[in-house]
Amino acid sequence: QVQLVESGGGVVRPGESLRLSCEASGFSFNEYGMHWVRQAPGKGLEWVAFIRYDGNDQYQADSVKGRFTILRDNSRNTVYLQMNSLRTEDTAVYYCAKDPRGYTAHGFDYWGQGTLVSVSS
Amino acid sequence: DIQMTQSPSSLSASVGDRVTITCRASQDIIKDLGWYQQKPGKAPKRLIFAASSLQSGVPSRFSGSGSGTEFTLTISSLQPEDFAIYYCLQHHDYPLTFGGGTTVEIK
Repeated sequence: QVQLVESGGGVVRPGESLRLSCEASGFSFNEYGMHWVRQAPGKGLEWVAFIRYDGNDQYQADSVKGRFTILRDNSRNTVYLQMNSLRTEDTAVYYCAKDPRGYTAHGFDYWGQGTLVSVSS
Repeated sequence: DIQMTQSPSSLSASVGDRVTITCRASQDIIKDLGWYQQKPGKAPKRLIFAASSLQSGVPSRFSGSGSGTEFTLTISSLQPEDFAIYYCLQHHDYPLTFGGGTTVEIK
């Protein structure tokens, strides 16, 4: 069965960096696009970034553009979110999610359990 | 960006009630819409894709309809396990955008 396991969350200060990882299993990872979605405490869902099945195209939300980068390593079945210049408003649970397609975004058919990122001085 | 306006933001209903949630898109998104359910402390779960297709394993009391700019999620007979927050998502264009969510509470 499909499993997505996030790691790398924690407490950091504003301006610092963090890298989240999401290890996938139970499907052919190199055939599907992958996303990161976040949820601030008590708030709704916000899409963060998408990466194509081969890693050759990425899209980000305006709120993170220039600061966050989505990457993938198909040899390790892992997608990453490199987060630089973190701000207090980036505090959220970050979910990794699988796209049902490979080339362009079509939503999310499976989700990880989430990892909490807290940015505080 | 495409704005998704979801209504109502919350509702109270009883077990057995029929419940309808609406999402309006700020522009034509054809049928590029999904519905997600989230329970407290859990990751969301997809219920409906392509506006009206039921995700495998999801009970048939859930249904979706609509196209263009107006979409609905209907729960035909609310069950105790359906009390949750529901979100719509458009994937017609980047950035992907969610509706604000609808909290379904017990009356």
